[in-house]
Order: sequence, then structure tokens, then C-alpha cells
Amino acid sequence: GENVEQHPSTLSVQEGDSAVIKCTYSDSASNYFPWYKQELGKRPQLIIDIRSNVGEKKDQRIAVTLNKTAKHFSLHITETQPEDSAVYFCAASMRGGSEKLVFGKGMKLTVNP
Amino acid sequence: NAGVMQNPRHLVRRRGQEARLRCSPMKGHSHVYWYRQLPEEGLKFMVYLQKENIIDESGMPKERFSAEFPKEGPSILRIQQVVRGDSAAYFCASSPEVLYEAFFGQGTRLTVV
Repeated sequence: GENVEQHPSTLSVQEGDSAVIKCTYSDSASNYFPWYKQELGKRPQLIIDIRSNVGEKKDQRIAVTLNKTAKHFSLHITETQPEDSAVYFCAASMRGGSEKLVFGKGMKLTVNP
Repeated sequence: NAGVMQNPRHLVRRRGQEARLRCSPMKGHSHVYWYRQLPEEGLKFMVYLQKENIIDESGMPKERFSAEFPKEGPSILRIQQVVRGDSAAYFCASSPEVLYEAFFGQGTRLTVV
């Protein structure tokens, strides 16, 4: 079955720096890749997603890139702010949407003021 | 739109008891997904349901676990004869169609003592 690896597991940056989170997936049939942000004790919230027919997508300070050949995708956060501190999860699906998402183990981002 | 509503938020059960977790999807959403999250882990898919139908239960243990999404009322995840290993956060998500993003509820944190 599909397997999603996420690294690093923790990242600490200074406010204003950029942060990059990388994920790899095992099944080349995967075609939908959402990113979720989860604050302590809260629900996972979708921050951006990308489908396999697109190589890059940007939304303000957040961008996601997808390399289908290498089977990896990355989340880039620029001009980080303390409120960006959270756990970020990448996920992949072979079904084109929300059905049966396979999640990475998450990365804890700490943005120091 | 109140979002995905889960209750209870916290549930404590003794070993051997039954746990019932409820999920009311967002208005207009007919697709419901249940995920389990262990501490410091990613979310693991359990089951995908549409109204009155289980579409994919490949992530749900064969014994003691069951799920339903009746024509009227919330989706229910039932765990019979709970054991300590069932302690986790259980998240429900919903989407209007399977190809659309999933919105998560606040989760139910089950503790088995």
C-alpha cells in the first residue's frame, strides 16, 4: 500500500525565516496531495493542496511543489510568524481526493520571535 | 455552517466497556471519513462512509470496531470491549464529494483506563 515519509520531524526557525517540509510517497498512482496544519489539541486544517497535473501552487506565504518523477512534494513557508508554529502533516491519496488519505507522521514547526 | 461536529470531545472508558463516538458532517456533505491519531503520530485512515453505505473499511480492525452513517442522524464509530491500546484521538472528516477537500472535526479523545 501507499506509504508517506515526512522529514524533518522537528524544525525551529527564527521569525521571518523560511521553512521547508519535505515528503516522499511510494505509490506512483497517488494523484492528490494535501497539507494540514494542526495546533496542539485542535483539529487538522487544510492549508493547501496540489493535484498531480500541477507542479507548483502558491497561496500568499505558502507554496507547494510536486515532483512526480522523484515522488516527492514539499511545503514552503516564507516570512514565518510565531502563529505558524504547529504540527504540519503531508498526505497522499490514490483516489484523487479525500478518500483514504495516507498521512506522514508530521513535522513540529517552532517559530521563535 | 457549524463545521464538522464531534461528540463527546473527551471520553473515558474502563477496559471492556463500549465507546460510541459521534460525528455530524458539515451541511451538504454526504461523505464521512474516520481517522485515528496516536500521540505524536500521523492520522491513520479507518473507514469511509456515505449515507447508509460503508464504502471502504480497509483501515478498521475487523473485530470490536464498527461504523455506520444512517439516513438520519450522525455517523457513529463504535468500539466494543475497549482495551488500553484503543486510547487515541479519533477524528471525523467530511466532504461534499470525494474529490473535494476533507474538513475535520475537533476529534474525540478516548482514554481507556
